[in-house]
Amino acid sequence: DAGVTQSPTHLIKTRGQQVTLRCSPISGHKSVSWYQQVLGQGPQFIFQYYEKEERGRGNFPDRFSARQFPNYSSELNVNALLLGDSALYLCASSLRPSGANVLTFGAGSRLTVL
Amino acid sequence: DQQVKQNSPSLSVQEGRISILNCDYTNSMFDYFLWYKKYPAEGPTFLISISSIKDKNEDGRFTVFLNKSAKHLSLHIVPSQPGDSAVYFCAASRMYSGGGADGLTFGKGTHLIIQP
Repeated sequence: DAGVTQSPTHLIKTRGQQVTLRCSPISGHKSVSWYQQVLGQGPQFIFQYYEKEERGRGNFPDRFSARQFPNYSSELNVNALLLGDSALYLCASSLRPSGANVLTFGAGSRLTVL
Repeated sequence: DQQVKQNSPSLSVQEGRISILNCDYTNSMFDYFLWYKKYPAEGPTFLISISSIKDKNEDGRFTVFLNKSAKHLSLHIVPSQPGDSAVYFCAASRMYSGGGADGLTFGKGTHLIIQP
């Protein structure tokens, strides 16, 4: 069984550009969450989606947006990139968006902003 | 303001001995706690969890202890093995937060090094 898959694995952008990151959850998982992990820090919650609806949002600016598709895959978009957006972006899936549900993470997309 | 704190950035333990990783939290609304392990170039992998109605949970070599009054939890690994060398993250959530809408709150992690 495939785990959570993310693409691209690495990418380099310049300040002001826009980026789209993609995530496919584990088969049967209907909830997808996005986290940002800056070097030396733990993952920080960005969004949670369930059944194509946003169920939760962390403390991130409006430059960050996401959506979930009918097949439960998801995209994270970041506009007007800043140097500080350089990070590992992790996608995680779970059966439901319960706080007690274990999240299964993908390997992440490493974004470098120059 | 960090709500989940792991005050030891790194920990070195001899193979076969016990590894004890510590975590403190400040938000009294947290009632579910998890430990994740992360190898380089991989995503975090779930290890073990505990809800606030318990004070201990065991799974093989891994045991998590929760002290609610002290807002402290710890992960014990016995015996420690070379494959346990990784970064360990403590995370917390509210089980009934309207569908987990808050996400998980992670600590900064502790790099565990198991020496042969």
